[in-house]
Amino acid sequence: DVKVTQSSRYLVKRTGEKVFLECVQDMDHENMFWYRQDPGLGLRLIYFSYDVKMKEKGDIPEGYSVSREKKERFSLILESASTNQTSMYLCASITGARNQPQHFGDGTRLSIL
Amino acid sequence: GDSVTQMEGPVTLSEEAFLTINCTYTATGYPSLFWYVQYPGEGLQLLLKATKADDKGSNKGFEATYRKETTSFHLEKGSVQVSDSAVYFCALGGNQGAQKLVFGQGTRLTINP
Repeated sequence: DVKVTQSSRYLVKRTGEKVFLECVQDMDHENMFWYRQDPGLGLRLIYFSYDVKMKEKGDIPEGYSVSREKKERFSLILESASTNQTSMYLCASITGARNQPQHFGDGTRLSIL
Repeated sequence: GDSVTQMEGPVTLSEEAFLTINCTYTATGYPSLFWYVQYPGEGLQLLLKATKADDKGSNKGFEATYRKETTSFHLEKGSVQVSDSAVYFCALGGNQGAQKLVFGQGTRLTINP
């Protein structure tokens, strides 16, 4: 079974801090994704990566950056956290083969005070 | 671009009622279609999928049929249980690079005993 592990379930940080959210998958998947989930807005794609050191912006990249130094790990970075980044963050991974589902971690509920 | 429209929630039903959650999509080509479920405090789990027209996906008593002529993938269950209370997401994939998914906005389902 595919396992996608997010480093924290709950995280509280202060405005202006640099915040790191970590995600690790154990299935050698090529593609990894970061979403944020907010009530009434569904899932919105922040960034994704299709290979080591490769990244592309999603729909809402502003205020975020990512890092993928190893295939199994994809990090989301909030350069200077703001209160409007309080949200649930979900990581997902998927193989490069067609018609396969994405596999999700349990999410990190991040509060910025 | 590709898009998914889901029935707006919240939906509240009594136990053993029949469930339908509507999902329609707009896409070019031949996407795959997915239903994901998110239980409280957890990430998304794949519920079922269909990869071509007229395919029926099924799991845990839920079913959905890929209808290309009506561009729909409605989720149904004959007799819901309290444990089915969750948020349900319809998603479309396989049409975009890096296996990105396009999600509907989610439908919150509450089942009362």
